[in-house]
Amino acid sequence: NAGVTQTPKFRVLKTGQSMTLLCAQDMNHEYMYWYRQDPGMGLRLIHYSVGEGTTAKGEVPDGYNVSRLKKQNFLLGLESAAPSQTSVYFCASSYPSVSGTGGKEQYFGPGTRLTVT
Amino acid sequence: EDQVTQSPEALRLQEGESSSLNCSYTVSGLRGLFWYRQDPGKGPEFLFTLYSAGEEKEKERLKATLTKKESFLHITAPKPEDSATYLCAVRWSNTGKLIFGQGTTLQVKP
Repeated sequence: NAGVTQTPKFRVLKTGQSMTLLCAQDMNHEYMYWYRQDPGMGLRLIHYSVGEGTTAKGEVPDGYNVSRLKKQNFLLGLESAAPSQTSVYFCASSYPSVSGTGGKEQYFGPGTRLTVT
Repeated sequence: EDQVTQSPEALRLQEGESSSLNCSYTVSGLRGLFWYRQDPGKGPEFLFTLYSAGEEKEKERLKATLTKKESFLHITAPKPEDSATYLCAVRWSNTGKLIFGQGTTLQVKP
């Protein structure tokens, strides 16, 4: 199993350009998440999905859109990149908890380092 | 406001010198506390989940404990390969969303 994979690993954008980050998981996980990690800020949730065809906003959703058309894929889009979106982006996935108390542990991808100039 | 605070921010140990990392939280209705290890340039790697006060989990030189307000990650006789950033996260909702602390960066010198 490859686990959680992310494409691309690195990217440099100019302000105003758009791009899509792809996350794929082969563990048949129901839940998927997108985080950003910035120095001194920790990991912050951007958007998440609790199943195919569903998405919801996290802590810092502004400037990002997501889609979950297939269970194994979760896409993160930046329509008009800004320097404030320079960050490392992590995708994660998990099973839902059997008891209904939320997902089980999350498994993370290797990250995408994005620089917006 | 729901918060997760980790201390210290950085910790330097000599090989074999045991210590503890702290994670305190102010989340109502805790539905799980998670510990992760993150190596430079990589994604977080899952270590433990704790659900209720008094619970303990162990893995090699690491032991995680949980009280009603905080969790400790005890590192016994650490080795240089234990050097990493350790992240704590709490879940408070049924959607699986986590709040992460800022992490403790551990350096173990030989």
